Amino acid sequence: DAKTTQPPSMDCAEGRAANLPCNHSTISGNEYVYWYRQIHSQGPQYIIHGLKNNETNEMASLIITEDRKSSTLILPHATLRDTAVYYCIGGDSNYQLIWGAGTKLIIKP
Amino acid sequence: EPEVTQTPSHQVTQMGQEVILRCVPISNHLYFYWYRQILGQKVEFLVSFYNNEISEKSEIFDDQFSVERPDGSNFTLKIRSTKLEDSAMYFCASMQREVTYEQYFGPGTRLTVT
Repeated sequence: DAKTTQPPSMDCAEGRAANLPCNHSTISGNEYVYWYRQIHSQGPQYIIHGLKNNETNEMASLIITEDRKSSTLILPHATLRDTAVYYCIGGDSNYQLIWGAGTKLIIKP
Repeated sequence: EPEVTQTPSHQVTQMGQEVILRCVPISNHLYFYWYRQILGQKVEFLVSFYNNEISEKSEIFDDQFSVERPDGSNFTLKIRSTKLEDSAMYFCASMQREVTYEQYFGPGTRLTVT
């Protein structure tokens, strides 16, 4: 599975877009990029995933660079409830997720 | 919306005792997982289960651990002889099919070994 690198923490003002970067320079052609988040020791929550194309759902957008070495998760209008640890996970296994340390995102009023 | 449930929410046990953590995955899901998270640390994969057998397991999942799907709904993790270092939050997850990583996680069981 691909190794990912994320900043340990970020702040964002409430109502603004939160942009969370992730480097996955070793990702191979058949490996997806997945984003999960964990709010204060609750069970992790799936956000979005992508392979090559940019993706959008009701929670977020995922922008993947053309060389697929990095991506950005965008929360378009961050709220206080988006304060969480965000995990970028790369891999192609159907069976396990390999977690890094993630980015602790703090939304400030 | 369907969800993964786990019981108990908190289990306290003495070192050397056996514990069983229980999970009810989402009903039409076929892939099941256990992860653990020691306080303040990252989430760690333990084991995956599909078609009534273990698909993959990590180095953490040694002979002290076992999993079972005793009926059509429950998925259990057993730790035979608990150690202090087994104290952690244990998360169960399930996934519908193998084309996506969209795993749905339960709320977790906090295991405290004294």
